[in-house]
Amino acid sequence: QKEVEQNSGPLSVPEGAIASLNCTYSDRGSQSFFWYRQYSGKSPELIMFIYSNGDKEDGRFTAQLNKASQYVSLLIRDSQPSDSATYLCAVNMWILYSNYQLIWGAGTKLIIKP
Amino acid sequence: KAGVTQTPRYLIKTRGQQVTLSCSPISGHRSVSWYQQTPGQGLQFLFEYFSETQRNKGNFPGRFSGRQFSNSRSEMNVSTLELGDSALYLCASSVGGQGANIPYEQYFGPGTRLTVT
Repeated sequence: QKEVEQNSGPLSVPEGAIASLNCTYSDRGSQSFFWYRQYSGKSPELIMFIYSNGDKEDGRFTAQLNKASQYVSLLIRDSQPSDSATYLCAVNMWILYSNYQLIWGAGTKLIIKP
Repeated sequence: KAGVTQTPRYLIKTRGQQVTLSCSPISGHRSVSWYQQTPGQGLQFLFEYFSETQRNKGNFPGRFSGRQFSNSRSEMNVSTLELGDSALYLCASSVGGQGANIPYEQYFGPGTRLTVT
């Protein structure tokens, strides 16, 4: 069973602090990982993607990938109330008799408290 | 550059009816993927079209079908609607196909909220 697991939250973080969102996945062979942000009533928007082990930084966002432990994280520095949203993790996996497909986690709801 | 557009944005249908949803990708994007999003199941992949061909399919019944036109616009059809089909239907476009080890980034449209009564 191909799975992507996320803590549903809500995760409550004070404004200005670091928010840490985690995602684990079942397919050891996966090589591409995506983080999307979804505001309530809106569609997902791409924040970051990561392919290589280690960290990838983009502004206040850092994605961390550890393939050996099969987890990927998203860190948000200097959290702002506008970061309050649901964060979706998507992992590309090989589906037998099909093809590669993005498998999505259920999302973590993040609340930034002023 | 204009984003992904979907029409209609909201739809109310009766059980047993059929529905067609439309998606226009970002200019230059050749791949369109369709997803169903519900509170209980999250985002579920329906299918992907690339250059007018269905390249990949999720685990949905045959009542869900789609097609892509030569201008990359795509339509999704659901026949014999059931109450459980009530969901947000999202399409996402990308420059290239999704069925690779490292897929192209996808960009989502605003979605069509379908309610089946």
